[in-house]
Amino acid sequence: EPEVTQTPSHQVTQMGQEVILRCVPISNHLYFYWYRQILGQKVEFLVSFYNNEISEKSEIFDDQFSVERPDGSNFTLKIRSTKLEDSAMYFCASSDRGLMNTEAFFGQGTRLTVV
Amino acid sequence: AQSVTQLDSHVSVSEGTPVLLRCNYSSSYSPSLFWYVQHPNKGLQLLLKYTSAATLVKGINGFEAEFKKSETSFHLTKPSAHMSDAAEYFCVVSSPRFGNEKLTFGTGTRLTIIP
Repeated sequence: EPEVTQTPSHQVTQMGQEVILRCVPISNHLYFYWYRQILGQKVEFLVSFYNNEISEKSEIFDDQFSVERPDGSNFTLKIRSTKLEDSAMYFCASSDRGLMNTEAFFGQGTRLTVV
Repeated sequence: AQSVTQLDSHVSVSEGTPVLLRCNYSSSYSPSLFWYVQHPNKGLQLLLKYTSAATLVKGINGFEAEFKKSETSFHLTKPSAHMSDAAEYFCVVSSPRFGNEKLTFGTGTRLTIIP
């Protein structure tokens, strides 16, 4: 069964460093998303991406964050200068026809620890 | 605006007894509602979804949920709990319309199964 894959499963980085989280969405999907879950808190929407541009973003997704689809298969989340409060589980998701028509499929997550 | 309230942070049931996980929602539009499950060290897996068709929705692993507009509820049930059901369960709402690709998650309910 097709699935969303995320790498790495766990990343430790020093405060102030740049980090790139990688995702391979399901191959025929057109809508891509990033969510995060800080330990003990709810899963929060970060950004949605369609047709090579951001379609919606939350207030969390400030100038420190960026997303990119560098080729036909990867979807990345970059955090430019990590802060301690960026420590969280980051989930990538994809959808073939958008949430108006179908559901989102999630990856297993990348646990980011900023020290 | 859209929001979800999961009324119980933790539910414990004995194996073989019924499961009830409660969820109330708020949405400015006709909502789509989902239940996702997260097993330890796994991604978010879709259990079932409601998208304005039948109000009683059947999902995987014997789970079902009923959409009750008058009560703004979407409770998840299962007649007989199995040890493998132990996991975190998230009620999720979206307000499907063009340009809105955001899922809003509840805080989650941890289900424990007592042998």
